[in-house]
Amino acid sequence: DGGITQSPKYLFRKEGQNVTLSCEQNLNHDAMYWYRQDPGQGLRLIYYSQIVNDFQKGDIAEGYSVSREKKESFPLTVTSAQKNPTAFYLCASSIQGGDNSPLHFGNGTRLTVT
Amino acid sequence: DQQVKQNSPSLSVQEGRISILNCDYTNSMFDYFLWYKKYPAEGPTFLISISSIKDKNEDGRFTVFLNKSAKHLSLHIVPSQPGDSAVYFCAASSTGTASKLTFGTGTRLQVTL
Repeated sequence: DGGITQSPKYLFRKEGQNVTLSCEQNLNHDAMYWYRQDPGQGLRLIYYSQIVNDFQKGDIAEGYSVSREKKESFPLTVTSAQKNPTAFYLCASSIQGGDNSPLHFGNGTRLTVT
Repeated sequence: DQQVKQNSPSLSVQEGRISILNCDYTNSMFDYFLWYKKYPAEGPTFLISISSIKDKNEDGRFTVFLNKSAKHLSLHIVPSQPGDSAVYFCAASSTGTASKLTFGTGTRLQVTL
């Protein structure tokens, strides 16, 4: 089945540690995105990539980094510089990076930093 | 600054009746609107979309209405079913922004028997 796989589902880290969230898709989609969801808030865009080896900051990129070395993979690193890293992280992809392409989401990773 | 607003955090509807979820936006550059459905601990699932050149789009039990002058859209679910109980997010994007979506805060729909 084609889809987006995020792993792990739950992740726990100590404050001050970097942590990398995995996102893999086998939909042959060009564009990939990372969103963050906090309680009572909508999803907010962290980073997005329209093509391999290229990515752009979203609305809340500070404290995060990404890479896009392969079309299928778009890992997100939450660095120690991110002030409030505990959240539900969602990866998404779309057929192309152009306009009006619905995003398809993975099932998310819940990160807890203590 | 919340550019996409869903002012009702929750809604309860009886099975078989109509559910109406509302969404307002402030950015006049938005020209593509989507509704997503989300179950707990899962990613959102795309439901239906509408372009600003239309005022209505229908897909089975789901219809989205767009009122550009009022910067308002709504999702109608008829008839509502218990499996529709979920959080519904409204989202919007503008041409030239590579499908980057701005989301509302969501409305939790509870369909009761």
